[in-house]
Amino acid sequence: KAGVTQTPRYLIKTRGQQVTLSCSPISGHRSVSWYQQTPGQGLQFLFEYFSETQRNKGNFPGRFSGRQFSNSRSEMNVSTLELGDSALYLCASSSQGATYEQYFGPGTRLTVT
Amino acid sequence: DAKTTQPPSMDCAEGRAANLPCNHSTISGNEYVYWYRQIHSQGPQYIIHGLKNNETNEMASLIITEDRKSSTLILPHATLRDTAVYYCIVRAYNNNDMRFGAGTRLTVKP
Repeated sequence: KAGVTQTPRYLIKTRGQQVTLSCSPISGHRSVSWYQQTPGQGLQFLFEYFSETQRNKGNFPGRFSGRQFSNSRSEMNVSTLELGDSALYLCASSSQGATYEQYFGPGTRLTVT
Repeated sequence: DAKTTQPPSMDCAEGRAANLPCNHSTISGNEYVYWYRQIHSQGPQYIIHGLKNNETNEMASLIITEDRKSSTLILPHATLRDTAVYYCIVRAYNNNDMRFGAGTRLTVKP
């Protein structure tokens, strides 16, 4: 079974631009969560989508948004990029099965200049 | 905020058991203990989880104290490939909002 895939793997943007990142979960998984990882703040939860609805949300400004499609693929968008948005953005999927463990993708490395 | 406390770093000799402690003194009755590891900026990898009983799988064992306020992840025969940051996370069973702490950086040495 294929794992979680994220595209693109690397991205360079300038301040003020917006960016869209994509995540394809493991086949059959309906939950997709997004995390931001920076050296200073570590791994921080952004939000979770389940069946096209946002189910949980972390403490990030409204510039960070997401959505999920009917095939469970998810996108996250960051508008008006700031230098501090430079980070590794990780996507994780999970099923509604017995163990609820999350499977992470390789991440998208975003650099804002 | 993370609900767990872990030592920032540990060393282990190759072939020996690695015992990684985690304190979670405020854990609630419906919360599980999950362990993940992250190898050099790859996505975190699920290792094991448990509620109150000890658990074992092909990767590791998880020992949870009777009062559930702490746990230990055991890698029985550490290899160089086990060098990683190990995260202990407490979360409710159906809540995918995982709060990661700083984790423990385990270095396995030859």
